Amino acid sequence: GAGVSQSPSNKVTEKGKDVELRCDPISGHTALYWYRQSLGQGLEFLIYFQGNSAPDKSGLPSDRFSAERTGGSVSTLTIQRTQQEDSAVYLCASSPRQGLDTEAFFGQGTRLTVV
Amino acid sequence: GEDVEQSLFLSVREGDSSVINCTYTDSSSTYLYWYKQEPGAGLQLLTYIFSNMDMKQDQRLTVLLNKKDKHLSLRIADTQTGDSAIYFCAELAGGFKTIFGAGTRLFVKA
Repeated sequence: GAGVSQSPSNKVTEKGKDVELRCDPISGHTALYWYRQSLGQGLEFLIYFQGNSAPDKSGLPSDRFSAERTGGSVSTLTIQRTQQEDSAVYLCASSPRQGLDTEAFFGQGTRLTVV
Repeated sequence: GEDVEQSLFLSVREGDSSVINCTYTDSSSTYLYWYKQEPGAGLQLLTYIFSNMDMKQDQRLTVLLNKKDKHLSLRIADTQTGDSAIYFCAELAGGFKTIFGAGTRLFVKA
């Protein structure tokens, strides 16, 4: 596709269940970001992948959160034992790292509701 | 450390100018950006400024950069109700990592 694709667009899960959120970045983009957006907290950085380098996990709020990026392309954000405070919109963005071309392109997000 | 800060809310009257402010911490940042998120939509790049510039103007938008104080601002002239959105400041920090602020929600009152 032409843009960053995230799935599912909406997810309702019961407290304590695990969820997986998927991001398909723009082909050829080496950088991939996960953010969480909530009304009271704004945009929170979660994790950053850049090529084959070790990911920057400094934004992950707890060890229940993990993410991987397979083959330098698709990424999955996993939240284990979900809690109600995990409810938010999870945004993925990708960016080329080629010279001066650094714009980040965002997906539409996955709205996660933990009930 | 890396951090970008901006206030969470701004309210203006239609026709007035809006000024959204941002501070950042990485003095080696090469690019600074403003992204816009309209209601129900994703973030999209609105404008950017290279770090060796002080000002950039694009129609109703004026970006001011004070590199000494690490302060970035976005001025929207003649603000319209259609400008209501969340505006995100971002910097391209070391290692080509883009750091975003939390976003400023702009309310435009008719």
